Amino acid sequence: AQRVTQPEKLLSVFKGAPVELKCNYSYSGSPELFWYVQYSRQRLQLLLRHISRESIKGFTADLNKGETSFHLKKPFAQEEDSAMYYCALMAPGFQKLVFGTGTRLLVSP
Amino acid sequence: NAGVTQTPKFRVLKTGQSMTLLCAQDMNHEYMYWYRQDPGMGLRLIHYSVGEGTTAKGEVPDGYNVSRLKKQNFLLGLESAAPSQTSVYFCASSYGGFGEQFFGPGTRLTVL
Repeated sequence: AQRVTQPEKLLSVFKGAPVELKCNYSYSGSPELFWYVQYSRQRLQLLLRHISRESIKGFTADLNKGETSFHLKKPFAQEEDSAMYYCALMAPGFQKLVFGTGTRLLVSP
Repeated sequence: NAGVTQTPKFRVLKTGQSMTLLCAQDMNHEYMYWYRQDPGMGLRLIHYSVGEGTTAKGEVPDGYNVSRLKKQNFLLGLESAAPSQTSVYFCASSYGGFGEQFFGPGTRLTVL
């Protein structure tokens, strides 16, 4: 079965501090992994996907197949990063996303 | 382009009532999805469609039915609403099965 685990419901940091949002997955093959973000009163949107290897808004995420993790990182958090972050997995051939339970990031001034 | 739109934005139902949520997309996407979002549960897939005239069950399909009569529309029906269906419902669409999913603004449903 495919499962995505985000162990932290809430992550609270100060502006300028490093941020790491944890994501672990269970799937025996080679999934595609995503981070979606939902800012206050906005719709859910794609932040980044591992296959594109991009840095979006200063965020990066590295797929670690050995640890089955896809943690989201940013070296210096900004107040505008405060949002709900969801890690999601798509297994080849399944045509649908499996989401984690989400982590709320709160960046204080 | 409006992207993905959902109707209505809010609705309050009594137990046993029925209703239909409408999702529309103007991006010519093949795939469409219905999710529900509950505190501490994340987003869970209810039903999805890989093309006009097709539907498939997701993770939590019980109590819901869907139809995709037109490519641009995906309807979610509740035949007999229950308090357990109180949730925020999101529709999404994507061009292909592995493509980025584009989400609607959500429908907040309360069942009393």
